[in-house]
Order: sequence, then structure tokens, then C-alpha cells
Amino acid sequence: GAVVSQHPSWVICKSGTSVKIECRSLDFQATTMFWYRQFPKQSLMLMATSNEGSKATYEQGVEKDKFLINHASLTLSTLTVTSAHPEDSSFYICSARPPVSFNYGYTFGSGTRLTVV
Amino acid sequence: GIQVEQSPPDLILQEGANSTLRCNFSDSVNNLQWFHQNPWGQLINLFYIPSGTKQNGRLSATTVATERYSLLYISSSQTTDSGVYFCAGSRGGADGLTFGKGTHLIIQP
Repeated sequence: GAVVSQHPSWVICKSGTSVKIECRSLDFQATTMFWYRQFPKQSLMLMATSNEGSKATYEQGVEKDKFLINHASLTLSTLTVTSAHPEDSSFYICSARPPVSFNYGYTFGSGTRLTVV
Repeated sequence: GIQVEQSPPDLILQEGANSTLRCNFSDSVNNLQWFHQNPWGQLINLFYIPSGTKQNGRLSATTVATERYSLLYISSSQTTDSGVYFCAGSRGGADGLTFGKGTHLIIQP
């Protein structure tokens, strides 16, 4: 139980194009999902909190117009990196918190490695 | 926000050795987890442990919530234990996790 699926696992795109990453909770509903970014040899940094049916909340320093988040249903959140540039190349990983009854804590997707060329 | 300090940052051990990783929090957290990140980036959830002690095979964890720290114990280390170990916490379930910088563990045969 408590599975989060993330696609794609890796993507290479040209500078200036947009890339969409999907995050799905498979066996529970998630009104809130989280998006993190991890640069090589660094820790995970929270980028934004995705809220079903309302606007996402972005952490300080994260450009909301570059990283568009849509939480269209209780099981799906998407992150679109718009007008990608090489400095956006990173590992993006989503997370959700199952109901307390799972007693599992936060569960994470397998991540998406984005390379912008 | 919450600050998370992990120690040691790097640890090199021989196979069979035991190790203790520590995580200190600047403020109280209601959610606390330990993860192992594999070479492909996948975060493996080791323990959800906001308080108390848990054990899973050769791994165990203890959180002393009143003193805002948690410990991860690895006994009889194997080469497959190598990787980066993160602890992370949050105040509430609607908050994202704040991660420590990780402990890079290398187990040599």
C-alpha cells in the first residue's frame, strides 16, 4: 500500500521547450501532494505544495510561472517545467501523505531526471 | 522553518561493522522519517518514527521527540547498505518534509 507513481523516469528536452511530469497516488487519495528538486550530490528541497482544487503553494525562490502545478484530481498532480533551460536540469520527485491509518508517513515517487540541452 | 542537521556527513566502514547516524531538529516535528536513496534516486522509506523505537531486521531507529533528535542504527553492515541516508521531518501532514543534508555511507568489502 501507499504507492506513488511518477512518469516519466527520465526526459531530455531542448532548451525553450516545456516538459510535463505526472505524479499519481495509486491506492489512496491525496488532497495534497509535494514536489521536490534535487541537484547532484545535494539534498531534496521542497519546491511546492500541490492542493487539489486550488492553487499550489510555492516555496520562497521558486518561480511559479516556470514550474506550473496542476492538481486536477485526488490522485493526480502534474508539474510542467515551462521554457526549460539547462539550469533546470535536475532530479524532480513528488510525494504524498497517505491517510494516518496507513501509519506509513510520506511516500515518494521514483523521480524524474530532467536534462535540458 | 525547521532546520535538520545530520551527522556524520560521510562514513566509511568495513563490512560487518555497526554504525549510528544522527539527526537533530531545530523544532518539534510530528512526522519524522528515515530514507535510503538508492543509486537510481529512489527514496526507500526505512522508518516512519515520530517517537519511540522501531526495528526492521538489521536496522533500527529511535526518536527522542522531547529532545528533538533521532538515531538510525545499522548493524552488521553489508556492501548493499552503501548509499545516502536522509532523515526528514515536518510539523503537520499538510506540510512538506524538510530534509537533512544526508549521510553518505560507504561499506567496503
